[in-house]
Amino acid sequence: DGGITQSPKYLFRKEGQNVTLSCEQNLNHDAMYWYRQDPGQGLRLIYYSQIVNDFQKGDIAEGYSVSREKKESFPLTVTSAQKNPTAFYLCASKKTGTGAGYTFGSGTRLTVV
Amino acid sequence: AQSVTQLGSHVSVSEGALVLLRCNYSSSVPPYLFWYVQYPNQGLQLLLKYTTGATLVKGINGFEAEFKKSETSFHLTKPSAHMSDAAEYFCAVSDLGFGNEKLTFGTGTRLTIIP
Repeated sequence: DGGITQSPKYLFRKEGQNVTLSCEQNLNHDAMYWYRQDPGQGLRLIYYSQIVNDFQKGDIAEGYSVSREKKESFPLTVTSAQKNPTAFYLCASKKTGTGAGYTFGSGTRLTVV
Repeated sequence: AQSVTQLGSHVSVSEGALVLLRCNYSSSVPPYLFWYVQYPNQGLQLLLKYTTGATLVKGINGFEAEFKKSETSFHLTKPSAHMSDAAEYFCAVSDLGFGNEKLTFGTGTRLTIIP
């Protein structure tokens, strides 16, 4: 079955470290998204990409970076410049030009130790 | 610019009672509207969506929502709550039909079911 896979499910980061969260989809979707979720704040858009080799900043891009070298993959790097990285991170994808909405992965919970 | 307001960050209902979760949106173009459900430590799952056509939309798990343009609302209902409905629910809006591929989410409503 097609789907979107995030790994790892839990991730621990030391202060000053960069970490990379993986997001892979086999749905043949063009667009992919990264959201951050904090209690009581809903989902906030970090970065999104509508086509390979192109991506745009969302509302809270500072301290994060992404790449889109393959259609199937959209990894997110949380850099040491992100001062409060502890959160639940969600990756999503959709087929562009349709009203189908997003398909979400199961999320990665990042904790700074 | 689009926005979504979900009234009530926490809603509690008794098992078997009506569930009503409120969502109001703002959009400068005809909107596409969505409801998602999230169980603890999981991703979001699509419950239902409105794009065009019939304004009463039926989704999974017995949920439905009605698009009311005059009230800019898209409230989610279920006639009889079940314990398994306890989760967080998110309303989202987009002008996907006009080339914008982004969804704007509300801040969510946590639904608690009282036995």
